[in-house]
Amino acid sequence: DTGVSQDPRHKITKRGQNVTFRCDPISEHNRLYWYRQTLGQGPEFLTYFQNEAQLEKSRLLSDRFSAERPKGSFSTLEIQRTEQGDSAMYLCASSSVAGVVDTQYFGPGTRLTVL
Amino acid sequence: AQSVTQPDIHITVSEGASLELRCNYSYGATPYLFWYVQSPGQGLQLLLKYFSGDTLVQGIKGFEAEFKRSQSSFNLRKPSVHWSDAAEYFCAVAPNFGNEKLTFGTGTRLTIIP
Repeated sequence: DTGVSQDPRHKITKRGQNVTFRCDPISEHNRLYWYRQTLGQGPEFLTYFQNEAQLEKSRLLSDRFSAERPKGSFSTLEIQRTEQGDSAMYLCASSSVAGVVDTQYFGPGTRLTVL
Repeated sequence: AQSVTQPDIHITVSEGASLELRCNYSYGATPYLFWYVQSPGQGLQLLLKYFSGDTLVQGIKGFEAEFKRSQSSFNLRKPSVHWSDAAEYFCAVAPNFGNEKLTFGTGTRLTIIP
């Protein structure tokens, strides 16, 4: 169990550019979550996958945001035409489904700064 | 919709003193409850969780939490804090059905003084 990993850890971009983040969950986990955390706030749910299916998206996830999990393993979160308001920590978490609710394990996050 | 309130934005405690961090939730039924800790620049680490059963839950690093249905609370406690406990603490809830989407409180920042 190597834990949830995220890449990159930090990203600085200019307004209007596209960025993509990657999340690798714990290997046997079939649920994967994305959250966004702004300064001084708790994480806010963005979207989640069970295997490759995206089952729920928050209203926070505007049309500029897209997430994929093509083979049910790693996931990517892309933000198009970034805005300064997108500056935040993007957290990924994974969990397993074994008939009962299980615990989410979080990665270290990707900190995005939009200039 | 479920919500979580952490009334204390910042708490300062002397090393060796006891600690209690408050968490209140709003939900139609008994949710699943969690406490996470976040050190600067780090992700979230699970301290403890409550799903059902004994309302006093033991976690890692000497933390415990008590679920009180009548008060809709899930307060985190530690009898004697260490300087390494300085961090941000988040209470979270998840619905007791379907997915495990977490709703977090705004967090309590804990400062430890010598």
